[in-house]
Amino acid sequence: DAGVIQSPRHEVTEMGQEVTLRCKPISGHDYLFWYRQTMMRGLELLIYFNNNVPIDDSGMPEDRFSAKMPNASFSTLKIQPSEPRDSAVYFCASRLSGTGFEQFFGPGTRLTVL
Amino acid sequence: AQSVSQHNHHVILSEAASLELGCNYSYGGTVNLFWYVQYPGQHLQLLLKYFSGDPLVKGIKGFEAEFIKSKFSFNLRKPSVQWSDTAEYFCAVGGSQGNLIFGKGTKLSVKP
Repeated sequence: DAGVIQSPRHEVTEMGQEVTLRCKPISGHDYLFWYRQTMMRGLELLIYFNNNVPIDDSGMPEDRFSAKMPNASFSTLKIQPSEPRDSAVYFCASRLSGTGFEQFFGPGTRLTVL
Repeated sequence: AQSVSQHNHHVILSEAASLELGCNYSYGGTVNLFWYVQYPGQHLQLLLKYFSGDPLVKGIKGFEAEFIKSKFSFNLRKPSVQWSDTAEYFCAVGGSQGNLIFGKGTKLSVKP
């Protein structure tokens, strides 16, 4: 089975540009999570969805960040405009309700904003 | 509010030394507890989990963890570490809304 798929794996962009990160959860999973990991702040939960509906977005840093889940097999995290302090590894994870809380993580997108 | 506390930020051990990483959680309901491992440059992977039953849980690669309800603890142990265990270890508890509450992680460095 394919795991959680994220693209791109690496993104280098300039300050002020729009960045879109993509995630395909494991087929059939109904929860999807977006995390950000930095050396300074560690692993932070940004937002998560259940059945494509955002449940908690309190971790989204500011209005420059937005996330969507138009269908069960695709989600995006957008940063507009990007800033150097957004440089981090962004992980997507998914899980299936009714089977416990175990989350399956994708390989991450390493974002560098110059 | 639910929280997870990992006592050590960075642990340095020599190969063959024993390992114990501390984890305490605050959550009054039914607990679902996890340890994840993140090898350098990789994503988080499940090491072991506890839902119910035997409080001593065995995971992959010789790791185990013990759930002690009275102490709200779920410490990770390994009797003899290897250089390949160098990684960051995250403790987590299942939250009330279907999410996971992660601790801040403990970096383990094993010297060959």
